[in-house]
Amino acid sequence: DARVTQTPRHKVTEMGQEVTMRCQPILGHNTVFWYRQTMMQGLELLAYFRNRAPLDDSGMPKDRFSAEMPDATLATLKIQPSEPRDSAVYFCASGAGVREKLFFGSGTQLSVL
Amino acid sequence: SQQGEEDPQALSIQEGENATMNCSYKTSINNLQWYRQNSGRGLVHLILIRSNEREKHSGRLRVTLDTSKKSSSLLITASRAADTASYFCATAPYTGGGNKLTFGTGTQLKVEL
Repeated sequence: DARVTQTPRHKVTEMGQEVTMRCQPILGHNTVFWYRQTMMQGLELLAYFRNRAPLDDSGMPKDRFSAEMPDATLATLKIQPSEPRDSAVYFCASGAGVREKLFFGSGTQLSVL
Repeated sequence: SQQGEEDPQALSIQEGENATMNCSYKTSINNLQWYRQNSGRGLVHLILIRSNEREKHSGRLRVTLDTSKKSSSLLITASRAADTASYFCATAPYTGGGNKLTFGTGTQLKVEL
């Protein structure tokens, strides 16, 4: 079965360090989304791409977060520098269109100490 | 801000009973989707209902949509312990809104043996 692959599954780092999360969307999907999930805020949309072009990254703190799609098989989310409040589960999802059903990866559980 | 709001926030039932979750939203939609999330996992798409549809079935799932009331319900019949999860509705706007899916806050369902 086709699936969205996220790495790493878990990441523990110290405040101030750079964190890079990677996502391999399902082949043929032209939209990729990054979400953050916490108990307090629920699921928050950070950024999304269509045909590798960023469409909306208004949910991201611009000073420390960046999202890119260097090619159709890889999406990255970087945090530099990381802060304890960034601790959350980060999900990548891909779909065949911005309004169509999404396929989620297993997430990256990030802990910033 | 969240477009969809699920109700109730938490639901506990006995195996074999039916579970009903509701979702209310604010703006016109192209479609509404329901997702399930097991603890520690990514979201899994369950069903998509378009704005011109009133009811849809998939196995033990039944979804209704009332666009005049801007609400939807998810019914799980003959629930099983394996249905224990969080359930989210997500709305795709009819127009504008960046054309992106927006998730609600979720209903935590616990099915007890």
